[in-house]
Amino acid sequence: DAGVIQSPRHEVTEMGQEVTLRCKPISGHNSLFWYRQTMMRGLELLIYFNNNVPIDDSGMPEDRFSAKMPNASFSTLKIQPSEPRDSAVYFCASSLINTIYFGEGSWLTVV
Amino acid sequence: DQQVKQNSPSLSVQEGRISILNCDYTNSMFDYFLWYKKYPAEGPTFLISISSIKDKNEDGRFTVFLNKSAKHLSLHIVPSQPGDSAVYFCAAPALFGANNLFFGTGTRLTVIP
Repeated sequence: DAGVIQSPRHEVTEMGQEVTLRCKPISGHNSLFWYRQTMMRGLELLIYFNNNVPIDDSGMPEDRFSAKMPNASFSTLKIQPSEPRDSAVYFCASSLINTIYFGEGSWLTVV
Repeated sequence: DQQVKQNSPSLSVQEGRISILNCDYTNSMFDYFLWYKKYPAEGPTFLISISSIKDKNEDGRFTVFLNKSAKHLSLHIVPSQPGDSAVYFCAAPALFGANNLFFGTGTRLTVIP
């Protein structure tokens, strides 16, 4: 079975550029999550969707971050403009009930 | 404020010995807890869970213990193997029908051959 699929796996971009991270959740899962992993804060929830509707975006750092889920099989996380402090691993995850399944992450470096 | 806390960022254990990873939580209404394991360059993967109606759940070499009065859970790995070297996160589901998980900051376990 295909797991959560994220792209790109690695992205290096210059400060000020737009970054778009993409995610395909596991088929049949009704919740989708975007997490960010940093050394200081561990895994922090940025936003999550239930049935394609954003439920909680209180973790989104600031207006430079936006996320969409146009349908049940696709979501994007966009950073515009990107800054060096956005460098982190961004995980997409999906779930049906309690257990969340993670993708392999998108490693973002902003220079 | 972290609702789920892992106060030990790292732990080193000799192969064959027991590894004990600890986790504390602040909200007594949490009723389900999970442990995730994360290897470098991979996403976290689900390892084991426990419901608050139990105080112990065992799966092979992995056992999770829950002490509700202390708001504390621990993951025991016996015997520890080098392949267990990874970052371990404990997590609890948010309440009131929400589906997201609150994660701790993780403990990096190194099992020394």
